[in-house]
Amino acid sequence: AQSVTQLGSHVSVSEGALVLLRCNYSSSVPPYLFWYVQYPNQGLQLLLKYTSAATLVKGINGFEAEFKKSETSFHLTKPSAHMSDAAEYFCAVSDRQSSGDKLTFGTGTRLAVRP
Amino acid sequence: NAGVTQTPKFQVLKTGQSMTLQCAQDMNHNSMYWYRQDPGMGLRLIYYSASEGTTDKGEVPNGYNVSRLNKREFSLRLESAAPSQTSVYFCASSASAGRNQPQHFGDGTRLSIL
Repeated sequence: AQSVTQLGSHVSVSEGALVLLRCNYSSSVPPYLFWYVQYPNQGLQLLLKYTSAATLVKGINGFEAEFKKSETSFHLTKPSAHMSDAAEYFCAVSDRQSSGDKLTFGTGTRLAVRP
Repeated sequence: NAGVTQTPKFQVLKTGQSMTLQCAQDMNHNSMYWYRQDPGMGLRLIYYSASEGTTDKGEVPNGYNVSRLNKREFSLRLESAAPSQTSVYFCASSASAGRNQPQHFGDGTRLSIL
């Protein structure tokens, strides 16, 4: 089965600083990978997805992620953090099953942004 | 633009009570999912329905049942609630069984079992 590891359950950055959230996956076949964001008391929203068209994927709100097969990584970055980026971020990998597709989620990284 | 709608938003139950969580999507999606979210554990799949008329167990199905009522609606039932089922429950849907299809989530049901 596929799995996803998010290193660091909590990350704190200063406003304007680089955001780097780490995600590593295990997969025996080329994966489909996703990043989701969850704001307090809300459901998850799709930030971006990797579907093998390009290794650098741009998402909403200035976020991007780079697929690196050699490192089995899909880290999420944003050049300059904003206060509104404070949220929990989840990496997920698509797991093909005979009866349909499932997403396997990482345990999440909570991002705090300091003024 | 409703997307995925979950009801109720909050619920408190006593141990042993039963209840059904409702989920409906208006995006004409084929696949629907139920997750639970617990601190430090991410989202874990309870049940999913790849298409109307089919349901399958996910990672943590024990203590739950589901019904895919029609293409729009997918309900989750707790027959005899236990304190271990205190959690936030999310319903999601996706367009098809394609691996690159993102899932769209509701705002969740916060369930406490005393």
